[in-house]
Amino acid sequence: KAGVTQTPRYLIKTRGQQVTLSCSPISGHRSVSWYQQTPGQGLQFLFEYFSETQRNKGNFPGRFSGRQFSNSRSEMNVSTLELGDSALYLCASSSLQAGGGTDTQYFGPGTRLTVL
Amino acid sequence: AQSVTQLDSQVPVFEEAPVELRCNYSSSVSVYLFWYVQYPNQGLQLLLKYLSGSTLVKGINGFEAEFNKSQTSFHLRKPSVHISDTAEYFCAVSPLTGGFKTIFGAGTRLFVKA
Repeated sequence: KAGVTQTPRYLIKTRGQQVTLSCSPISGHRSVSWYQQTPGQGLQFLFEYFSETQRNKGNFPGRFSGRQFSNSRSEMNVSTLELGDSALYLCASSSLQAGGGTDTQYFGPGTRLTVL
Repeated sequence: AQSVTQLDSQVPVFEEAPVELRCNYSSSVSVYLFWYVQYPNQGLQLLLKYLSGSTLVKGINGFEAEFNKSQTSFHLRKPSVHISDTAEYFCAVSPLTGGFKTIFGAGTRLFVKA
């Protein structure tokens, strides 16, 4: 099976712009989660989608949003970019059926976003 | 709410020596516990997880971890490390129900020296 893919791998934007990142989960996986990784804050949970519905949300401002399509692919959008949004954005998928962490999350390689 | 504390930010160790990476957690609900590894310029890979049952959990690459409920700890160990184990290791928790909302520790950088 192909792994989790994220596009693009690298992105450079300027302050005030918006950006959309894409994540294709492993075939058959219905849960997709997004994380932000920075040197200062570490790995922080953004949100999780399951069957096109946002099931969990972390403590990020409304500028960060996401969605999931019927084929389980997911996108996250960041509007009005700030310098502090520079980070590695990781996507993870799981075949999780209903609740809990018993299924393994498989992580993609990430998209490195640089905001100038 | 949950939190994870990794007690060492960096751990240097010589090749073939044993290593322990320490992790304490706090949670108001029952959680599953995980250890992940991240190699440079890559995503995270699951090393092992504790769901229930035996408190000693064996994972990939010769790693194991012991869950201690009374001390709310989940330390990772390996009896003999290799140069290739040099990476960043993350301890994490996720609630038992309601999907994934994984909370990670700050990470421990393991540096294996020849």
